[in-house]
Amino acid sequence: GDSVTQTEGQVTVSESKSLIINCTYSATSIAYPNLFWYVRYPGEGLQLLLKVITAGQKGSSRGFEATYNKETTSFHLQKASVQESDSAVYYCALRPGTGSNRLTFGKGTKFSLIP
Amino acid sequence: GPKVLQIPSHQIIDMGQMVTLNCDPVSNHLYFYWYKQILGQQMEFLVNFYNGKVMEKSKLFKDQFSVERPDGSYFTLKIQPTALEDSAVYFCASSSSGGANERLFFGHGTKLSVL
Repeated sequence: GDSVTQTEGQVTVSESKSLIINCTYSATSIAYPNLFWYVRYPGEGLQLLLKVITAGQKGSSRGFEATYNKETTSFHLQKASVQESDSAVYYCALRPGTGSNRLTFGKGTKFSLIP
Repeated sequence: GPKVLQIPSHQIIDMGQMVTLNCDPVSNHLYFYWYKQILGQQMEFLVNFYNGKVMEKSKLFKDQFSVERPDGSYFTLKIQPTALEDSAVYFCASSSSGGANERLFFGHGTKLSVL
């Protein structure tokens, strides 16, 4: 079946430094999957951060970017300068390119600032 | 922003009993989902529901599981009878459309403890 692997556990970075959370995927469908980053801020429900449905394209939102790389089957999340409000749990996910609305999630990566 | 509400946040039940998890989706949304997350693992797709019917379900959606939206408001997941392995956090989600432009809104989850 489909699978998503992302940076495990927790990532800590100093304020205004850059952040990268790695995500790689494996999809069984012939059609290229759609790729997503979802985020759960403290006390809130999971919400969409960004998505890219076409291989080779880049998605961006709230200063975050992710590029859909079909050669390396990766969709890494990056931000050039993080701040306290970015503290959250980030989930990479994929949906098959055709025929299904089910999302396959990674285990989540918790990001917080170095105090 | 739009909210999906799940009540209660925690439910404790004895093995073999029936339980119903309630979800109040975003108004005017048409697509509804349940996901299951066992402690320490990733969130996994259970089922999606549209126009009064189950559209897709996973192997995790056992015969003991059922979903409905009886009065056009709450979307429910019923487990009858419950088993120990049903202990998990169950997340409800809704969206206004399916396909490539789909954007899911998730609830905070209901933690189900089967004793």
